[in-house]
Amino acid sequence: QKEVEQNSGPLSVPEGAIASLNCTYSDRGSQSFFWYRQYSGKSPELIMFIYSNGDKEDGRFTAQLNKASQYVSLLIRDSQPSDSATYLCAVISGTNAGKSTFGDGTTLTVKP
Amino acid sequence: DAGVIQSPRHEVTEMGQEVTLRCKPISGHNSLFWYRQTMMRGLELLIYFNNNVPIDDSGMPEDRFSAKMPNASFSTLKIQPSEPRDSAVYFCASSPSSDTQYFGPGTRLTVL
Repeated sequence: QKEVEQNSGPLSVPEGAIASLNCTYSDRGSQSFFWYRQYSGKSPELIMFIYSNGDKEDGRFTAQLNKASQYVSLLIRDSQPSDSATYLCAVISGTNAGKSTFGDGTTLTVKP
Repeated sequence: DAGVIQSPRHEVTEMGQEVTLRCKPISGHNSLFWYRQTMMRGLELLIYFNNNVPIDDSGMPEDRFSAKMPNASFSTLKIQPSEPRDSAVYFCASSPSSDTQYFGPGTRLTVL
């Protein structure tokens, strides 16, 4: 079992719809959770981080964390074609602070 | 701020040659990470430093890979001798606090 798992996609949504990206992790002691966006041929860039159970909103983005279910998600409201990218989930284990483990990413396409 | 700087951006070399990748982290950041990204294996952490000290090098593939951070503003990743399977994009990232990471543009390495 991979430490961090994501649906590889591709996930396709129409412009204006809500895109839902999911991530599960195996280490129950994980403390910190991140979402990075990576455009094709570019480097990953941080878009959200969340540490506590519940929702965290930033503009059109909402991160959701459920530690009991070992599940973190990213919702993108009013999806735009410019949101088309690969989204990487990253988790920092409670036992190895500083070391992020990345999922393989979910590729999102937003169709105009 | 200039962000994380990596050089070279592209490197093409022949099998058996030594390759040196360079990274300048964001000023004031105390953690530095080297990653490798391929289609097959995704984004893999090779090594990370905290305050110039290597903390975890368990991701370094083998003895052909070595990394140094002689001061807070410079790090190198060296591959000697290089092999075709080392072809990948190598990212350097820095962090002010070992969690949120800021990635450089990457070095695309091709070993013939």
